[in-house]
Amino acid sequence: AQSVTQPDIHITVSEGASLELRCNYSYGATPYLFWYVQSPGQGLQLLLKYFSGDTLVQGIKGFEAEFKRSQSSFNLRKPSVHWSDAAEYFCAVGESQGGKLIFGQGTELSVKP
Amino acid sequence: DADVTQTPRNRITKTGKRIMLECSQTKGHDRMYWYRQDPGLGLRLIYYSFDVKDINKGEISDGYSVSRQAQAKFSLSLESAIPNQTALYFCATSPSEVGNQPQHFGDGTRLSIL
Repeated sequence: AQSVTQPDIHITVSEGASLELRCNYSYGATPYLFWYVQSPGQGLQLLLKYFSGDTLVQGIKGFEAEFKRSQSSFNLRKPSVHWSDAAEYFCAVGESQGGKLIFGQGTELSVKP
Repeated sequence: DADVTQTPRNRITKTGKRIMLECSQTKGHDRMYWYRQDPGLGLRLIYYSFDVKDINKGEISDGYSVSRQAQAKFSLSLESAIPNQTALYFCATSPSEVGNQPQHFGDGTRLSIL
């Protein structure tokens, strides 16, 4: 069965430090992969997506993610975190047929001054 | 105006009550979804609809029902609410038949059942 695992429930980083949020997936076919961010009181906003091609994808707000098929991973990175990046981050895999999304458990990011 | 609008944004009610959460969209998307979010569990799919005549159960449909009144409207009902249905509920839409189109989310309805 398809699944998405985000191993880190909560991460704290200092402002200006680099960030990497981990995501591992289990999916039989070529996955469509997404990262969403949820700010408090808000819905989910798409950060970036991977369908095919270049395995390093750029998103909004300075985020990027790298698809590694051999490791079944799609980790999210940012070189320098800002206080406004504090939020919950969700990785998701989209079914190639049907369009349903399967979400990971989420990683809550806190940013220290 | 928001593309995907959920009403109400917050609701507190009692066990046994019938509750309806509404979702409307101006994006013109055919596909609509209802999810619930619980801490540590991410988002789980309750029901989804590919068009007005197509309704499908998701991962956790027990205790819920839906109605797709029009392309733009998709309602979620709890016929007899119970406390473990306390959660944050999201509606989402997507435009196409393949999985590579991202879903667009409303701002959520926070539901508390006492």
